[in-house]
Amino acid sequence: DAGVTQSPTHLIKTRGQHVTLRCSPISGHKSVSWYQQVLGQGPQFIFQYYEKEERGRGNFPDRFSARQFPNYSSELNVNALLLGDSALYLCASSLAFFRQGTEAFFGQGTRLTVV
Amino acid sequence: GQQLNQSPQSMFIQEGEDVSMNCTSSSIFNTWLWYKQDPGEGPVLLIALYKAGELTSNGRLTAQFGITRKDSFLNISASIPSDVGIYFCAGQYNNAGNMLTFGGGTRLMVKP
Repeated sequence: DAGVTQSPTHLIKTRGQHVTLRCSPISGHKSVSWYQQVLGQGPQFIFQYYEKEERGRGNFPDRFSARQFPNYSSELNVNALLLGDSALYLCASSLAFFRQGTEAFFGQGTRLTVV
Repeated sequence: GQQLNQSPQSMFIQEGEDVSMNCTSSSIFNTWLWYKQDPGEGPVLLIALYKAGELTSNGRLTAQFGITRKDSFLNISASIPSDVGIYFCAGQYNNAGNMLTFGGGTRLMVKP
């Protein structure tokens, strides 16, 4: 079975630009979460979606937005990019919104560099 | 944002040695998770803990959910070179879906 797939794997953007990152969850998984991992730190929660609805949002500015599609894939959008947005963006999928034993599985991430 | 306090930050050990790392929080969690992350990859789940006091093993890895529900530790026995990587603890609340709060990570280096 395919795991969580993210695209692209790497990209470079200029300050002020917009970026869209994509995630396909494990087949059958209905919940997708997004995390930002700055170099040398643990991942920080950005968003969680379940059944196409936002179910949680971390402490990130409104420049960050996301959505989940009917096929449960998801997009993370970041507007007006700043140098500090450079990070590894991780997508995680899980079977349900929350049920102990249905842990989140992570994709390989998208490495975003803002110059 | 909030992060769990994970220690040590890094460890450089000899192959065959045992390793211990821990994680503490000011908040109570319902689930504790331990992940390993290799360079350029996403975190991979190693062990999940669901009950206070629970001790769970996965091969050479053993983790415990602290009695106070505010801490957890991970032990690796008889380390091997492929254990190299960054280990993260993560806490999860029952009413917060799959939102995970991560520690800062422990970088493990193993000398053959």
